[in-house]
Amino acid sequence: GAVVSQHPSRVICKSGTSVKIECRSLDFQATTMFWYRQFPKQSLMLMATSNEGSKATYEQGVEKDKFLINHASLTLSTLTVTSAHPEDSSFYICSARAPSGTLGNQPQHFGDGTRLSIL
Amino acid sequence: GENVEQHPSTLSVQEGDSAVIKCTYSDSASNYFPWYKQELGKRPQLIIDIRSNVGEKKDQRIAVTLNKTAKHFSLHITETQPEDSAVYFCAASNFNKFYFGSGTKLNVKP
Repeated sequence: GAVVSQHPSRVICKSGTSVKIECRSLDFQATTMFWYRQFPKQSLMLMATSNEGSKATYEQGVEKDKFLINHASLTLSTLTVTSAHPEDSSFYICSARAPSGTLGNQPQHFGDGTRLSIL
Repeated sequence: GENVEQHPSTLSVQEGDSAVIKCTYSDSASNYFPWYKQELGKRPQLIIDIRSNVGEKKDQRIAVTLNKTAKHFSLHITETQPEDSAVYFCAASNFNKFYFGSGTKLNVKP
């Protein structure tokens, strides 16, 4: 159980292109999804928290107009990198978490990540 | 906000030895502490977690301890094997966000 699917796994595109990344929870409903960016040999940097049916909450320093997040259903969140430039090249990874309930806080389950390369 | 510090950044052990990774956190409201293992180019995978109402949890060769008073928690891997080599991340959560440590690269030498 707790499978998170992320697509595409790799994107190579020209500067100025907008890129959409999808994150799906396959066997559970995720009221909250998270989007991270990971640089080589570094930790996971939280970009934003995506809540189903409401606006995403962005971390300080993350441009919300640059990184558009949509969480239209309990199983799907998308991240669109608008007008991507070489400095946006990175490994983007999403995670999904089932609702906290009587069991308390629930773990995050990660997608496989998307390696984005902007030429 | 929460600040999670993780040490050491790299750890090299001989196969069969034990490995210990330590994390500290700053927010006393954090109540959930998962540990993730990430192999190169792959997704982080949950290996063990502990909640604030428990002081220790063990799963085969892996154990985690939590000291709420001191605000630190540790990952213990016994009888290490080469396949344990990876980057390990600790995290702290308070029902909202997860805050990750900087990671520990574990190298188990055969």
